Amino acid sequence: AQSVTQLGSHVSVSEGALVLLRCNYSSSVPPYLFWYVQYPNQGLQLLLKYTSAATLVKGINGFEAEFKKSETSFHLTKPSAHMSDAAEYFCAVSDMRYGGSQGNLIFGKGTKLSVKP
Amino acid sequence: NAGVMQNPRHLVRRRGQEARLRCSPMKGHSHVYWYRQLPEEGLKFMVYLQKENIIDESGMPKERFSAEFPKEGPSILRIQQVVRGDSAAYFCASSPPRQDREAFFGQGTRLTVV
Repeated sequence: AQSVTQLGSHVSVSEGALVLLRCNYSSSVPPYLFWYVQYPNQGLQLLLKYTSAATLVKGINGFEAEFKKSETSFHLTKPSAHMSDAAEYFCAVSDMRYGGSQGNLIFGKGTKLSVKP
Repeated sequence: NAGVMQNPRHLVRRRGQEARLRCSPMKGHSHVYWYRQLPEEGLKFMVYLQKENIIDESGMPKERFSAEFPKEGPSILRIQQVVRGDSAAYFCASSPPRQDREAFFGQGTRLTVV
């Protein structure tokens, strides 16, 4: 069975500091991996995705993530945090029973990012 | 092309009433997915539908919950005889027929049972 674990339910950084949100996955087949952002009372917006091409994936708003098979990780980073990055971030893996469908997703529990001035 | 539209955005129901949540997929999208987000939890898959077919309902509670995606009109998630534990945010996503295409999420319906 596939699963996703996000380490740290809350992360706080100072404005301008490095953002690192951790995600580990479990999958018996090569996974498709995703990071989503959710602002308060909003839906989910796709930040970036890995679908077996380049292992370093660049997304919107300056975020990127690196797929590391040996560590079963897909951590999200941003070099310099901005106040507008405060939100909740979800890592997800595609349910491969559907051939990598990008709508059948298994989500982690989320990490709330706070950015201090 | 409008995004995935969900309505209502907020819904308040008394215990025992029925809740009907609507999801209009993006134009050209024939696949719809429903998810539930409980407080302090991630999204949990509920059901996957294509036009007039339920493909996977393994995440749906066995009782009181049903979903449909008719040939015409929006997808409907129906919760009968709601209980306090049904209070959550319900999201739908839609995608085109090809499985390697991105799915887009709606803004959700926040159901409160009082």
